[in-house]
Amino acid sequence: GESVGLHLPTLSVQEGDNSIINCAYSNSASDYFIWYKQESGKGPQFIIDIRSNMDKRQGQRVTVLLNKTVKHLSLQIAATQPGDSAVYFCAENIGSYNTDKLIFGTGTRLQVFP
Amino acid sequence: DSGVTQTPKHLITATGQRVTLRCSPRSGDLSVYWYQQSLDQGLQFLIQYYNGEERAKGNILERFSAQQFPDLHSELNLSSLELGDSALYFCASSEGGTFNEQFFGPGTRLTVL
Repeated sequence: GESVGLHLPTLSVQEGDNSIINCAYSNSASDYFIWYKQESGKGPQFIIDIRSNMDKRQGQRVTVLLNKTVKHLSLQIAATQPGDSAVYFCAENIGSYNTDKLIFGTGTRLQVFP
Repeated sequence: DSGVTQTPKHLITATGQRVTLRCSPRSGDLSVYWYQQSLDQGLQFLIQYYNGEERAKGNILERFSAQQFPDLHSELNLSSLELGDSALYFCASSEGGTFNEQFFGPGTRLTVL
């Protein structure tokens, strides 16, 4: 069933192309950022994270870039596959010591077509 | 499968009623988080518990309450339900502390009629 808003920004890419999903965060004091993937009918799934003392982090087929100057986060997916179709959320942690308060962005729907 | 379980999967109730959502964290995780996901508000953090104690609070209404039990499972109680409370409610768990990956459960879809 539908688990997220119907009017999310949508990125449509062809299978095999690279995808870039962008996110603006709000709190300049945030020091931890995460990207989540949410498939229809499922809970969010962790993809990759980055601390504020880094500007780039790579995983398997994914790269997260952090620009603290303009409070911008991006997720790059290489060689996008049909299984990457989902809604992607960025989240910033505004918690303090020993607490995690994640503030989620509105999400971007990624559609992969053959 | 994240290892986090939530029951029930679906819940349909009427306005003014009270419901309880249940969450069992991954084995070994001490922190439990509750989130609400609605069409107009997106995914919102409600509350965090760590080893039985409330650790952080987000946009949780006074009509809502939660607790974490000694066996680390958690319950989210929603009372005096309104139509606008219809949403997906997710539980997540982590080892605890800060900057730990949160693992989300499959969610409970609440429909208030």
